[in-house]
Amino acid sequence: RKEVEQDPGPFNVPEGATVAFNCTYSNSASQSFFWYRQDCRKEPKLLMSVYSSGNEDGRFTAQLNRASQYISLLIRDSKLSDSATYLCVVNKGGAGSYQLTFGKGTKLSVIP
Amino acid sequence: DADVTQTPRNRITKTGKRIMLECSQTKGHDRMYWYRQDPGLGLQLIYYSFDVKDINKGEISDGYSVSRQAQAKFSLSLESAIPNQTALYFCATSDPTSPQIQYFGPGTRLTVL
Repeated sequence: RKEVEQDPGPFNVPEGATVAFNCTYSNSASQSFFWYRQDCRKEPKLLMSVYSSGNEDGRFTAQLNRASQYISLLIRDSKLSDSATYLCVVNKGGAGSYQLTFGKGTKLSVIP
Repeated sequence: DADVTQTPRNRITKTGKRIMLECSQTKGHDRMYWYRQDPGLGLQLIYYSFDVKDINKGEISDGYSVSRQAQAKFSLSLESAIPNQTALYFCATSDPTSPQIQYFGPGTRLTVL
């Protein structure tokens, strides 16, 4: 199993749709998890951290399942501006420690 | 003004040439990183530095070298560029208390012919 694996997509969805992305990771000792967003030809930017209990930020909901080593990102009421590539990022290190592995990303296109 | 800047933004060079990519930051972060991104691949860490006197190799450091001239400046050099170093290069910074939160520069698109 690759360290961090994502479905590359593309996911083509209409405006207003709900879309979910999945990510699996191979190292059960991984400590923290994140979703980054990368627009075409731009730099990645942190979208949200992923907490064990699940967390929500507006239309975005992130979930973590440690037992299955699985992370998800749900986007509700998709907007055209949500079109981007979403990177799953896993940190093997503890608090204050850097051991990041980036997934290859899942591309989302929201269609009018 | 951008917190993390990179120069040049685009560069085309020939095989065997020496190239330097520069990164500056105004975030006051101690930690700086260089990544490369190839189409269809995840970001790969080349080198990182936790302070001016600390330089560490990442997962793909062969063919690259770095210099941390000051807290705010971290440069990446390709001593003798080769075509498979054609990629998008990102500099990033982070705060020591949250190293997982990376602040990326806008990237340098490098083409080696």
